[in-house]
Amino acid sequence: DAGVTQSPTHLIKTRGQQVTLRCSPKSGHDTVSWYQQALGQGPQFIFQYYEEEERQRGNFPDRFSGHQFPNYSSELNVNALLLGDSALYLCASSFGSLAPPYEQYFGPGTRLTVT
Amino acid sequence: AQSVAQPEDQVNVAEGNPLTVKCTYSVSGNPYLFWYVQYPNRGLQFLLKYITGDNLVKGSYGFEAEFNKSQTSFHLKKPSALVSDSALYFCAVSPETGANNLFFGTGTRLTVIP
Repeated sequence: DAGVTQSPTHLIKTRGQQVTLRCSPKSGHDTVSWYQQALGQGPQFIFQYYEEEERQRGNFPDRFSGHQFPNYSSELNVNALLLGDSALYLCASSFGSLAPPYEQYFGPGTRLTVT
Repeated sequence: AQSVAQPEDQVNVAEGNPLTVKCTYSVSGNPYLFWYVQYPNRGLQFLLKYITGDNLVKGSYGFEAEFNKSQTSFHLKKPSALVSDSALYFCAVSPETGANNLFFGTGTRLTVIP
């Protein structure tokens, strides 16, 4: 049973560019959440997708957007990259957006470096 | 608003000794509380959660946590530390209402000394 997978593992981008990160949830899970973990910090919630819709959003600008596909996989897009966007981006999957508190299963993350 | 505080950036303990990693929380309503562990270059692994009921929660790898409502704390404990327990530990809270998103503390690095 595959866990949460993320691609790519590492990514280097230049300021102003755009990036797309991908996530496949754990088998049987229908909800995907994205988190940003800056160096030395705890993960911060970006947004959550359920039934192909953004259900809840953290305190992140509109440059951060996402999408969920019918197979429950998800993408995180970041436009107009800033140096401060450099971080580990974690995807987490769970079952049921509106029925907390299922534990979330995290992928290994994508390390984004903006130069 | 909800928040989590982990007052210790670093905890050192000798192998075989009991360990405690501290966490306090602030949330409206009843809290859902979690502990996760992160190994180098890895994602977060779920250890345990408190929803309701018994204040002592048992989790993976011999860890347990004690919920204390009056002190708004959820400390992680283990009776006998192993060198392999050395990692970064995160406490997280999810509000009672709303989607199942987590608010994390800043983490505590646990080092178990052989």
